[in-house]
Amino acid sequence: AQSVTQLGSHVSVSEGALVLLRCNYSSSVPPYLFWYVQYPNQGLQLLLKYTSAATLVKGINGFEAEFKKSETSFHLTKPSAHMSDAAEYFCAVSEGDSSYKLIFGSGTRLLVRP
Amino acid sequence: DAGITQSPRHKVTETGTPVTLRCHQTENHRYMYWYRQDPGHGLRLIHYSYGVKDTDKGEVSDGYSVSRSKTEDFLLTLESATSSQTSVYFCAISKGGNTEAFFGQGTRLTVV
Repeated sequence: AQSVTQLGSHVSVSEGALVLLRCNYSSSVPPYLFWYVQYPNQGLQLLLKYTSAATLVKGINGFEAEFKKSETSFHLTKPSAHMSDAAEYFCAVSEGDSSYKLIFGSGTRLLVRP
Repeated sequence: DAGITQSPRHKVTETGTPVTLRCHQTENHRYMYWYRQDPGHGLRLIHYSYGVKDTDKGEVSDGYSVSRSKTEDFLLTLESATSSQTSVYFCAISKGGNTEAFFGQGTRLTVV
């Protein structure tokens, strides 16, 4: 079965600093990969997804992620953090079978310091 | 926003009582999912549906059942609620393939 590991349950950065949230997956076949964001008391919203068309994927709100097959990683980055980026971020992988169900990492809470 | 509605949004219930949560979609998506969210665990899949009357178990299905009699509705039932089922429950819908899943706003369930 697929699994997803997110390193760091909490990441704290200063406003304007680089954001790096790490995600590693286990898969023997090319997976479908996603990053979701959850703001307090809300549902999950898609940030970006890996479609195999390009290894560098751009998403909403200035976020991007790079698919590295050799490292089985799909880290999320943003060059300059904004206070509004404070939220919980989830990496997810699709099983790739006919259910298309998502397997989520445990999440990383991003704190942005003024 | 995707047309997906969860009800109720909040519920407090007593141990041992049955509880049903409803997910309603207006997108005509084939796939529907129930997840629970707990601190430190991310989202874990309870059950999912790949069509009307077609359902299957996820990784944390014990104590839960589901039904899907119409494309638009997916019900999650806690047969006899326990305190360990206190959680936030999310419904999601998807067209399948490499498409994104859309999530509802969640239902906060407290079992006392």
